[in-house]
Amino acid sequence: AQSVAQPEDQVNVAEGNPLTVKCTYSVSGNPYLFWYVQYPNRGLQFLLKYITGDNLVKGSYGFEAEFNKSQTSFHLKKPSALVSDSALYFCAVRAFSSNTGKLIFGQGTTLQVKP
Amino acid sequence: DAMVIQNPRYQVTQFGKPVTLSCSQTLNHNVMYWYQQKSSQAPKLLFHYYDKDFNNEADTPDNFQSRRPNTSFCFLDIRSPGLGDAAMYLCATADPRGNTEAFFGQGTRLTVV
Repeated sequence: AQSVAQPEDQVNVAEGNPLTVKCTYSVSGNPYLFWYVQYPNRGLQFLLKYITGDNLVKGSYGFEAEFNKSQTSFHLKKPSALVSDSALYFCAVRAFSSNTGKLIFGQGTTLQVKP
Repeated sequence: DAMVIQNPRYQVTQFGKPVTLSCSQTLNHNVMYWYQQKSSQAPKLLFHYYDKDFNNEADTPDNFQSRRPNTSFCFLDIRSPGLGDAAMYLCATADPRGNTEAFFGQGTRLTVV
């Protein structure tokens, strides 16, 4: 079965410091991996994706993620955190048990950036 | 410009009174999803469509139904809402090719009183 795990419920960082939000996955075949961010009472906003190619993927708002096949990880990173980055972050994998490709989410990580 | 639109943003319904949530898209995507999200938890897939082909998740209660009259619109019907159905309901669309992201609406926050 396809699955995604985010081992940390919450990550706290000081503004200006680098941040990492962790994600590991389990899929059969090649993984299609995504990161989304959610602000309170909002839908999910797409940040970035890994499909193929370079292991370091760059996305919106200065975020990037590193795909590591041997460790089955896809950690989200940002060199310098902003208070406005505080939100709920979801890692997701697109699983092709049918032709529609269900999007399966990790449990989410709350990022708190303190001034 | 909004590409996936959910109406209403906030819905209050009475216990046991049927309620319908709507979703529309301008992306012409074949695939549409409905998710339920409670209290900052992971979104839980209820069902999804590939065009009019309906795919129900095995653990989705019978109380939840869906209709997709055309490519642009999709509805979530809750036949007899219970207190446990209070949640954020998220609609998303996607191209069936796996190398594209899903696009989410802003969600409908359902309160059951």
